[in-house]
Amino acid sequence: QKEVEQDPGPLSVPEGAIVSLNCTYSNSAFQYFMWYRQYSRKGPELLMYTYSSGNKEDGRFTAQVDKSSKYISLFIRDSQPSDSATYLCAMFSGTYKYIFGTGTRLKVLA
Amino acid sequence: GAVVSQHPSWVICKSGTSVKIECRSLDFQATTMFWYRQFPKQSLMLMATSNEGSKATYEQGVEKDKFLINHASLTLSTLTVTSAHPEDSSFYICSAGQSGANVLTFGAGSRLTVL
Repeated sequence: QKEVEQDPGPLSVPEGAIVSLNCTYSNSAFQYFMWYRQYSRKGPELLMYTYSSGNKEDGRFTAQVDKSSKYISLFIRDSQPSDSATYLCAMFSGTYKYIFGTGTRLKVLA
Repeated sequence: GAVVSQHPSWVICKSGTSVKIECRSLDFQATTMFWYRQFPKQSLMLMATSNEGSKATYEQGVEKDKFLINHASLTLSTLTVTSAHPEDSSFYICSAGQSGANVLTFGAGSRLTVL
């Protein structure tokens, strides 16, 4: 079993839809949870960073962490074609050794 | 915010040659940098942890003689792919974190094509 599981997609949604992206993990020591966006042939760009459980909102993006279920989510409201990218979840326990999900490819259709 | 610059963004080389990729933290010092490899439509795979002033720590299965890492200053780490072969063709990405921060900043990546 992988430490972090993420559905690779692709996920296609119409413009304006609410997008839900998820990751599950097995290591209960993880405390830091990140979502990165990666456009084709570019490096990952940090979207959201959450410590421990709870919700965090930033504009159209909301990150949720449920440590009891070992489940994290990223919601994108009013999705735009420019949101089309691969979304990677990442987590670590206290060192910089990130564990990444495989990434979910999202396509927002105009 | 923290910026990590990676150079070159794309390099093509002949089989058997060596290629050097640079990773710089532009506005902060990074005692630790990380090198990843990413194949198409796959996630990032950590290759090694680059430590300023000391030897890099390689992940299992990564050949340290093949992928030479040097971290000579607090703002620069280099990855040299030695005697490159077509199977080394990949997207190489570096990252660095500011001291006291838990979040890594990633470079834009370097695409290596070995002919």
